[in-house]
Amino acid sequence: GAVVSQHPSRVICKSGTSVKIECRSLDFQATTMFWYRQFPKQSLMLMATSNEGSKATYEQGVEKDKFLINHASLTLSTLTVTSAHPEDSSFYICSAPLGGRNEQFFGPGTRLTVL
Amino acid sequence: GENVEQHPSTLSVQEGDSAVIKCTYSDSASNYFPWYKQELGKGPQLIIDIRSNVGEKKDQRIAVTLNKTAKHFSLHITETQPEDSAVYFCAASLGANNLFFGTGTRLTVIP
Repeated sequence: GAVVSQHPSRVICKSGTSVKIECRSLDFQATTMFWYRQFPKQSLMLMATSNEGSKATYEQGVEKDKFLINHASLTLSTLTVTSAHPEDSSFYICSAPLGGRNEQFFGPGTRLTVL
Repeated sequence: GENVEQHPSTLSVQEGDSAVIKCTYSDSASNYFPWYKQELGKGPQLIIDIRSNVGEKKDQRIAVTLNKTAKHFSLHITETQPEDSAVYFCAASLGANNLFFGTGTRLTVIP
């Protein structure tokens, strides 16, 4: 299967700082990438759809000014959590669909802890 | 929008026994149904998927069935092994769009 990487895998930051998470498709190009958030023992909740060359599409209730998404190239999307607060602590996971098919391949996730 | 329900939330089986996880979906237009395995602290890993033009698909010890009329699909794991212990998520989508996930099933295989 296709490989998606995320960096960093784990980050701890102070409240009020910004954190950038990178998502890369290593062996394929992705014009679209998805960002999910997962709280402990819960399912994945879609936050936004990242589109190469255009603005991201955010799900209802997700603040676009707080969660900045930039799809810089066909293999890289970044999620920046601005002015992070403890309630933003979560597991953030990206995914990318392979070609024109439905299969989505997920990154290993980024554990964000805001103190 | 699509609503996916998944049962059971937890499942314990003896090693060697079979495990079955069931999901229902609400949008009859959904046409792609993947299953993901998620180990602690890791991202979901696609283990098998099925499309709406197929009723059953099998890959070694794993099989998925789809009943489009009833709008439900199931994951079957035979001859379970301790390394099968993880959280399993079903999902549904329409075309190459975002996935709607079930609530997950924590499977424990007891040696």
